[in-house]
Amino acid sequence: QVQLQESGPGLVKPSQTLSLTCTVSGGSISSGDYYWSWIRQPPGKGLEWIGYIYYSGSTYYNPSLKSRVTISVDTSKNQFSLKLSSVTAADTAVYYCARDQTANYFDYWGQGTLVTVSS
Amino acid sequence: QTVVTQEPSFSVSPGGTVTLTCGLSSGSVSTSYYPSWYQQTPGQAPRTLIYSTNTRSSGVPDRFSGSILGNKAALTITGAQADDESDYYCVLYMGSGMVFGGGTKLTVL
Repeated sequence: QVQLQESGPGLVKPSQTLSLTCTVSGGSISSGDYYWSWIRQPPGKGLEWIGYIYYSGSTYYNPSLKSRVTISVDTSKNQFSLKLSSVTAADTAVYYCARDQTANYFDYWGQGTLVTVSS
Repeated sequence: QTVVTQEPSFSVSPGGTVTLTCGLSSGSVSTSYYPSWYQQTPGQAPRTLIYSTNTRSSGVPDRFSGSILGNKAALTITGAQADDESDYYCVLYMGSGMVFGGGTKLTVL
């Protein structure tokens, strides 16, 4: 059974960089069948796709966040990571990582981690 | 940027049938967008219900079905149960990324 687990600081100061890691277990991140996504959900609001990465390192980002987002992969650790720069209070959200089956739907999700942007 | 539209809220009686839709601000939804549907209850991660328009995810009851109705993707719940009360999100594949709809809050009463 594939499992995904997000980890990282729960509090980030405005203007700093948010950094999260997703650890994948029960399957290899290097499998060519999947993309690996980050998704977020501000409190009380809907879901927003941030971007995804293929094991080779190819990335696709939400155009609205593209200038601030970097997603990377570490196949040796079976992990992928998110960096979001110049954060503001509007970036406060639960951040989910998810496996993306053939880049067109999400089949496994992490439990989510709340990141609050505040001084 | 293309906006994916969903009804903000919907209500259904227990045992009733409800159809939620997923459209585009410009254009029609087709199978080429590989519409998928997710159910989310408060405090929980989303659960995958339907993918590739009409394929149920493993373990999803057959009272959930997906289709294309007119120019929109649709999620139909037949014989609604109390625990179907949730938020429902559709996702469309846009060729180089994914876009979520705004979600529909379904009330069963």
